[in-house]
Amino acid sequence: DAMVIQNPRYQVTQFGKPVTLSCSQTLNHNVMYWYQQKSSQAPKLLFHYYDKDFNNEADTPDNFQSRRPNTSFCFLDIRSPGLGDAAMYLCATSRDGIRRSPLHFGNGTRLTVT
Amino acid sequence: AQTVTQSQPEMSVQEAETVTLSCTYDTSESDYYLFWYKQPPSRQMILVIRQEAYKQQNATENRFSVNFQKAAKSFSLKISDSQLGDAAMYFCAYRKSNSGYALNFGKGTSLLVTP
Repeated sequence: DAMVIQNPRYQVTQFGKPVTLSCSQTLNHNVMYWYQQKSSQAPKLLFHYYDKDFNNEADTPDNFQSRRPNTSFCFLDIRSPGLGDAAMYLCATSRDGIRRSPLHFGNGTRLTVT
Repeated sequence: AQTVTQSQPEMSVQEAETVTLSCTYDTSESDYYLFWYKQPPSRQMILVIRQEAYKQQNATENRFSVNFQKAAKSFSLKISDSQLGDAAMYFCAYRKSNSGYALNFGKGTSLLVTP
């Protein structure tokens, strides 16, 4: 089945130690998104790619970066994780830029910072 | 920025009964899209239903329907004949039509279904 896959499901990193979360998709969708979801809060968009075009949300910290080497893969890099970055990170895709296109989500990666 | 408010952190419903989850939003736009997403425990978020603001008719998907009140900026989700598999966190979300890709989510409502 076509899907959005996030690895790993659980990631533990140390304070200040760079960490990379990965996302892959077999849907051949043009748009890929990274959301941060903290406990009891709404998912918050960090950035998205439309094809190779990167779009950063205005309030996304500089500590967060992303790479999309090809259509299928997208990575979230946290350069120096702080305790406040512990959260569930959700990757999502949509077919195109049409606003009614629904998002397809992965299972998420839960990040713990020790 | 558009805000989405879900005033019910938790709801409970008995199997086979009907439950309504509420959602309100704040926007100055006239054209936009509204969505309900379901996130079961430890599983991925999936789309339940969507509504286009310019359509007056309420969207329906099998046991799921919405009550869209544009003037009141209200977008509630009704689940009929509730099933144990409906237990999940439900998120209401808003997306502008004319610019940007951001899907603004509410904080979610946790739905418990009891036998």
